[in-house]
Amino acid sequence: DGGITQSPKYLFRKEGQNVTLSCEQNLNHDAMYWYRQDPGQGLRLIYYSQIVNDFQKGDIAEGYSVSREKKESFPLTVTSAQKNPTAFYLCASNTGGVNTEAFFGQGTRLTVV
Amino acid sequence: AQSVAQPEDQVNVAEGNPLTVKCTYSVSGNPYLFWYVQYPNRGLQFLLKYITGDNLVKGSYGFEAEFNKSQTSFHLKKPSALVSDSALYFCAAYTGGFKTIFGAGTRLFVKA
Repeated sequence: DGGITQSPKYLFRKEGQNVTLSCEQNLNHDAMYWYRQDPGQGLRLIYYSQIVNDFQKGDIAEGYSVSREKKESFPLTVTSAQKNPTAFYLCASNTGGVNTEAFFGQGTRLTVV
Repeated sequence: AQSVAQPEDQVNVAEGNPLTVKCTYSVSGNPYLFWYVQYPNRGLQFLLKYITGDNLVKGSYGFEAEFNKSQTSFHLKKPSALVSDSALYFCAAYTGGFKTIFGAGTRLFVKA
C-alpha cells in the first residue's frame, strides 16, 4: 500500500538531547513537509522540501533541522536549541501542484522528560 | 497577512441532524481550499477541496463544502451526522510557494 510512514509513534527525549524523527513515503511525491501540532494552534510549518537535496524553512524552523538525500525520505531532527519541543509532529507529502491535497503520516508524539 | 479562521472551537450536534463547521479565509489571488479530518493520535485525512468551478464541492464520507467568494467562506456540511463523524476538522488554504496554512481546528462532537 502506498503511504507515509512516520517512526517512532512515541518518543521521549531528555533535555539537551537531539532526536531524529523519521518520515518515509512511497507515493513518489516530490514535495514533503514537516508540521508541528499544538492544542488549539492548528498545524505550523517547520520545513518543506520541493525536490531532493533542497529544502526551505517554514514558519517555525528555529531549533529544527532536516535533510532530503532521497526522494522517499525527509527526516527531522529536533535539536537542543528548540526550547519547547514537546508536541505532535506530522509529516506530509504531495506532488507539489497548487491544487493537490497532502497525504499525512500518523504522527510522532515527542515528549521532553 | 494571509489566514484561515475557524471561529468555533467545538461544534455539538445530535446524530441524524445536519452539521456545519465554519471556515473563513483571507488569501491573495484565487483561493485553493481544503478540508481535512483528524482522529485522535492520527494524521490528517483529506476530505475535499475547492479549486475552481461549482461552489458546492462533494467529498468523502458524505461531506460537502460550500464556497462563497463574497463572504470568503468555505463551510463544511453534512446532511445527517453520525457518531463516527466525531473528530477534529481543519480548514486549509494554499498560499503559494508550496505553503498551505491551516486553521486552528474545530472539534466536532456528535451525540447519539
